[in-house]
Formats: sequence, C-alpha cells, structure tokens
Amino acid sequence: AQTVTQSQPEMSVQEAETVTLSCTYDTSESDYYLFWYKQPPSRQMILVIRQEAYKQQNATENRFSVNFQKAAKSFSLKISDSQLGDAAMYFCAYRSLLRDMRFGAGTRLTVKP
Amino acid sequence: TAGITQAPTSQILAAGRSMTLRCTQDMRHNAMYWYRQDLGLGLRLIHYSNTAGTTGKGEVPDGYSVSRANTDDFPLTLASAVPSQTSVYFCASSPDWRGPGELFFGEGSRLTVL
Repeated sequence: AQTVTQSQPEMSVQEAETVTLSCTYDTSESDYYLFWYKQPPSRQMILVIRQEAYKQQNATENRFSVNFQKAAKSFSLKISDSQLGDAAMYFCAYRSLLRDMRFGAGTRLTVKP
Repeated sequence: TAGITQAPTSQILAAGRSMTLRCTQDMRHNAMYWYRQDLGLGLRLIHYSNTAGTTGKGEVPDGYSVSRANTDDFPLTLASAVPSQTSVYFCASSPDWRGPGELFFGEGSRLTVL
C-alpha cells in the first residue's frame, strides 16, 4: 500500500524567511506523481506544485520549490521569502497510474510578522 | 468559472437521519471523487467514479453510498448518519482516473452529526 507521511504537524516561520516542509512516501512503483496542496482558512484546496517521478529536475513555482529524492522517497517543499498569505495547511499527495491520490496528514504553517 | 460546486456548505444532522451531499462539476471530467478530511488523518478517499455509470470503493467507504448517473453530478449519501461521520467532505474531479494530473476540489461541506 502507498502511504504518505508528513512528520511535522506544525511549523512556523518568520516573514521573509525560508521554511521547508517534509514529506516521505512508501511505494513499490517506479512511475508516479507527487503534489503539494495548500489549504488556507477558506478551506479551498489549491495546487502549489507537482513533480513527475521520472524527472530528475526539481520542480519550481516562483517562491515554491521541491527537493525530490527518489531513492530516499522524500519530497520536501521549500517556501522562500515567506509571506503572511502562505499561512495554511499544506498536504503532500501521491498519485500513480495504478493508484488513486493519497494524502499525508498535513502540516500547519504559521507565518509570524 | 464554477469548476466544482458542493452543497450544502455546512449542515448539522441528528444521528440516524439520512443526508445527501451534492456535487456538480462543469469541466466534463471523467473521474470524480469524495474525500473526507479529519484532523491528523489528512484526506481519505470514500468513493470514486472513473466514468459516468460506474463507481468504486475507496479507503473508507462504510456508511456511504454514491451514484454517477451522468458526467456532471456525483452525490454522496449517508443513509443513517453516526457521530463518527462528523467531518469535512470534499468532492474532487480529474480528467482521468489514476492519471498524472491534479485533482480539482470543491470548497467542501462541513457535516456535524449529533
């Protein structure tokens, strides 16, 4: 079974600083896709970034980037120049051609002004 | 652009009563899903449909049923609600089931069973 683990229930960061959210997953598949979703207080689920396992290059989206370590089954999210609007719950997710999307338990990020 | 519309936004329900959460999408996606979100557990799949006319069980299907009569609608029914079904429910869709693409989510329905 595929499982997604987020070991940090809560994290905090000072505004303008950098923070890294951790995610590990367990799979026996070689081809799969990884996602980070953001859930602000509005409850809306917003896609932040995605990574295809076959790509060695780490995905980036403006201030958001990932550190994808396939051998270690690790997929961390780095947020640079943190802003107050980044405060949210962040979910790591796994999906493949054989499996539906599975989510981690989430990390609540607080941004301090 | 509406995307996925869920109703109701919030509901309080007495235990033993039935309830249908509605979900409609306007993106013509083949696949639709129902997840429940609980603190410390993330989102867990209840039921899915990979195309109109077919449905399947997810990770936590007990106490829930779904139907997919057409492409756009995917209602979730609780036949006899219990307090453990208190949760936030998300409907989602994607162009294909188990593909590489992202899921698109509705805004969620908060259900409290007393």
